[in-house]
Amino acid sequence: GAVVSQHPSRVICKSGTSVKIECRSLDFQATTMFWYRQFPKKSLMLMATSNEGSKATYEQGVEKDKFLINHASLTLSTLTVTSAHPEDSSFYICSAPRLGEGYEQYFGPGTRLTVT
Amino acid sequence: ELKVEQNPLFLSMQEGKNYTIYCNYSTTSDRLYWYRQDPGKSLESLFVLLSNGAVKQEGRLMASLDTKARLSTLHITAAVHDLSATYFCAPFNAGGTSYGKLTFGQGTILTVHP
Repeated sequence: GAVVSQHPSRVICKSGTSVKIECRSLDFQATTMFWYRQFPKKSLMLMATSNEGSKATYEQGVEKDKFLINHASLTLSTLTVTSAHPEDSSFYICSAPRLGEGYEQYFGPGTRLTVT
Repeated sequence: ELKVEQNPLFLSMQEGKNYTIYCNYSTTSDRLYWYRQDPGKSLESLFVLLSNGAVKQEGRLMASLDTKARLSTLHITAAVHDLSATYFCAPFNAGGTSYGKLTFGQGTILTVHP
């Protein structure tokens, strides 16, 4: 099956610093990728849609200047959490849909961000 | 805006018993996905339901989709401990600017005990 990777899997950073998370589709091209965040014992909430070659579209309430998304190629999207604060600590998961397979989304393994 | 409700949110089952998780959603969707999540892990795809009346089975799990009723079910047969996890349903957004997005239910935390 299709594989999506994320890097890093875990990151601890200090308040005020920025953190970049990478999402790669390993064996297919993804013109669209999705970024979710998940708080403990909660559901996944879509943050933004990453579009190759154009700007990301953000869900209501998500600060685009805080969560910078760049879809650099057909296999790579990055999420940068700028000036991170403890409330940004969360589990961040990306997904990439594969055309022709019911548009099934393949999820990355997630990145656990802890801001101290 | 697509809204999704799962129930129950918490399910404690005895091994060997059967139970059904329900997923209701508010607007038209022609496909729906079920995922499993283990603690500290990402999502694992269980079922992709692509049409009205679709039924899929894998081991002790069976999922169905009724697009007219906007309802999907995940049926567990003869539960075993290994099925303990959180289960999410996610209908597909087919409309306009939301095309391709998934809206997740709240999740059902399933615990199977002896």
